[in-house]
Amino acid sequence: ETGVTQTPRHLVMGMTNKKSLKCEQHLGHNAMYWYKQSAKKPLELMFVYSLEERVENNSVPSRFSPECPNSSHLFLHLHTLQPEDSALYLCASSQSFAGGTDTQYFGPGTRLTVL
Amino acid sequence: GDSVTQMEGPVTLSEEAFLTINCTYTATGYPSLFWYVQYPGEGLQLLLKATKADDKGSNKGFEATYRKETTSFHLEKGSVQVSDSAVYFCALEVYGGSNYKLTFGKGTLLTVNP
Repeated sequence: ETGVTQTPRHLVMGMTNKKSLKCEQHLGHNAMYWYKQSAKKPLELMFVYSLEERVENNSVPSRFSPECPNSSHLFLHLHTLQPEDSALYLCASSQSFAGGTDTQYFGPGTRLTVL
Repeated sequence: GDSVTQMEGPVTLSEEAFLTINCTYTATGYPSLFWYVQYPGEGLQLLLKATKADDKGSNKGFEATYRKETTSFHLEKGSVQVSDSAVYFCALEVYGGSNYKLTFGKGTLLTVNP
């Protein structure tokens, strides 16, 4: 596979469930990102990892817990979510977390519904 | 803070019509500007970018010019196709002290009818 892949593509969970979203990049990049895309709102950056270290955490509730075991994989662990957490969760990667000309490549997203 | 404002959608056009999607921004410093496109069921893809004033980004017939005097980066295409139907996001990137950060607009849904 090439590019950025995400699994599952769709997830329905109850508020008491624990689930994990997975992202994998096959581009040899060193930075990975989690974004939340809600209807009629701008994309919200949640977390950034650079060389497997978390470098950004945008005031995200603790019910979202990221994990980056290596530069190719990024997880988002979910527990005791709320219905307002229903959204499309997008993963992205870039060569480095230096911005400028480092384009971010996005995965297709996981559509999450919290009942 | 940094922000991006783009025209509210949805925008519906007939094939071969001219497209403009307005985008204005507020930023400290000198941002880079981007347009991303999201086709149905897919993630965002970079469409074009401009890194300094008066630069023109172009790709697949789409163009946008970085206008510092009007803080704008409007997206245009002379003749749209059905396959251009997607959500378009304007974004800016600035250096925030220790790192770069992308800020997105809310997105504009474009539907092109045959």
